[in-house]
Amino acid sequence: ETGVTQSPTHLIKTRGQQVTLRCSSQSGHNTVSWYQQALGQGPQFIFQYYREEENGRGNFPPRFSGLQFPNYSSELNVNALELDDSALYLCASSPPGERGYTFGSGTRLTVV
Amino acid sequence: RKEVEQDPGPFNVPEGATVAFNCTYSNSASQSFFWYRQDCRKEPKLLMSVYSSGNEDGRFTAQLNRASQYISLLIRDSKLSDSATYLCVVNPDERAGGTSYGKLTFGQGTILTVHP
Repeated sequence: ETGVTQSPTHLIKTRGQQVTLRCSSQSGHNTVSWYQQALGQGPQFIFQYYREEENGRGNFPPRFSGLQFPNYSSELNVNALELDDSALYLCASSPPGERGYTFGSGTRLTVV
Repeated sequence: RKEVEQDPGPFNVPEGATVAFNCTYSNSASQSFFWYRQDCRKEPKLLMSVYSSGNEDGRFTAQLNRASQYISLLIRDSKLSDSATYLCVVNPDERAGGTSYGKLTFGQGTILTVHP
C-alpha cells in the first residue's frame, strides 16, 4: 500500500483514440507528477502539477495533458494515441517539504 | 549525451557478493539525488537518498561526488531478494524550503540478478 492509487491497471486502446488515466494521492500531497516508462527504459517525466496548476513539463507533445483536483486526485489525458504511446504510466506524489516521491503501481497502456 | 547515465548491466552475482553500481549526471546544478529500486512490472520504490557526505542503510551505501557529477551505490552481502532494476535518479530543481520541484530524471536502470 503506497498511498498513491492508479486506475485502471491495464488498458488496451486503438491508434487514434483518446485515453484518460487516473491517480489518487494521499491527503496533503499537493505535488503530483506523471511519468511514461517504455519497456527497458527508465521513467520519463511528462509533467508536474502543484496546487492544481502545471508547473513543469517534459519533452512531450501537447496531446498529453493533465488536470489536478482539490481532492488530490489527478488525470493524464492522451489524445490521438500512437503505437509508441504503449508504456507504463506512473503517477508520483510528494508531500510538502519532502524530496522523495512515492509512485503508484502504474497503468500499463497498450496501443494497437 | 543523456542527462543521467547508468551501466544497464545486467549484473549477475552470487549470494553474498558485493556489487557496485555507478551513475553520472550532466546537470551540475542538480540538487537532489536518489536510488530507486524497481521490481519486474512494478513501480519504482525509493531505496535511499544520496548525500555528499555519503550515507549507509544496512547493507547499502550511497556516495555522491559533486565535482565529478558521479553517484554510486554499493550493496554488500547480496541477497536473492536484491534482484531488481536499480535506478539512479536526479532532481535538477528545488524550491526554497526543500519542496521538490521539477522533474525527476531517471537513468536507464541497472539490472541485478543475485543467484544461489
